[in-house]
Amino acid sequence: AQKITQTQPGMFVQEKEAVTLDCTYDTSDQSYGLFWYKQPSSGEMIFLIYQGSYDEQNATEGRYSLNFQKARKSANLVISASQLGDSAMYFCAMRGDGSGNTPLVFGKGTRLSVIA
Amino acid sequence: EAGVAQSPRYKIIEKRQSVAFWCNPISGHATLYWYQQILGQGPKLLIQFQNNGVVDDSQLPKDRFSAERLKGVDSTLKIQPAKLEDSAVYLCASSLIGQGTQYFGPGTRLLVL
Repeated sequence: AQKITQTQPGMFVQEKEAVTLDCTYDTSDQSYGLFWYKQPSSGEMIFLIYQGSYDEQNATEGRYSLNFQKARKSANLVISASQLGDSAMYFCAMRGDGSGNTPLVFGKGTRLSVIA
Repeated sequence: EAGVAQSPRYKIIEKRQSVAFWCNPISGHATLYWYQQILGQGPKLLIQFQNNGVVDDSQLPKDRFSAERLKGVDSTLKIQPAKLEDSAVYLCASSLIGQGTQYFGPGTRLLVL
């Protein structure tokens, strides 16, 4: 079974600053995938970034990067140059089993507030 | 490309009533998921379809919840009778076969009074 832990219920960051959202995971699978989603107050889950367990380089997507430390079982999300529109809930999730279509297991989320 | 569509966006019912939610996945996505997200928690899987077959419904409360995906496209999730603890956001997601990235719809917010 997979487990995701997000220990930061809430975070504040100044506009234009960088912020790191923590995520640790637990799995016995050798092959797995890690995801980050953003959930604004409207409710939709927006896919941000993906990291495969065998990917040697950290994933990057625009202002988002994933700091993947396999030995520590951590997959932290780094948002650079924060914008007011980044204020939302952020969820770390994983799928295991090496299959592309296993369901995602989510953490409890971190609420990010960007301050002008 | 159109995203995942869900309706209704909001629903308020009294306990013991029934309710149904509809989902239309991204065109070409054979795999469809229904998740339940209770306030303050991350989404949890209720049921997964691949085409019109059920892949995983181990966490679906089958005494009150049912779901179908006729013709392998649209899906309907039903609750009958609803309980107070069913108040949550119901999220539908879809993905291509063999692709891990799931794309979510806007969700349906259900309040059971």
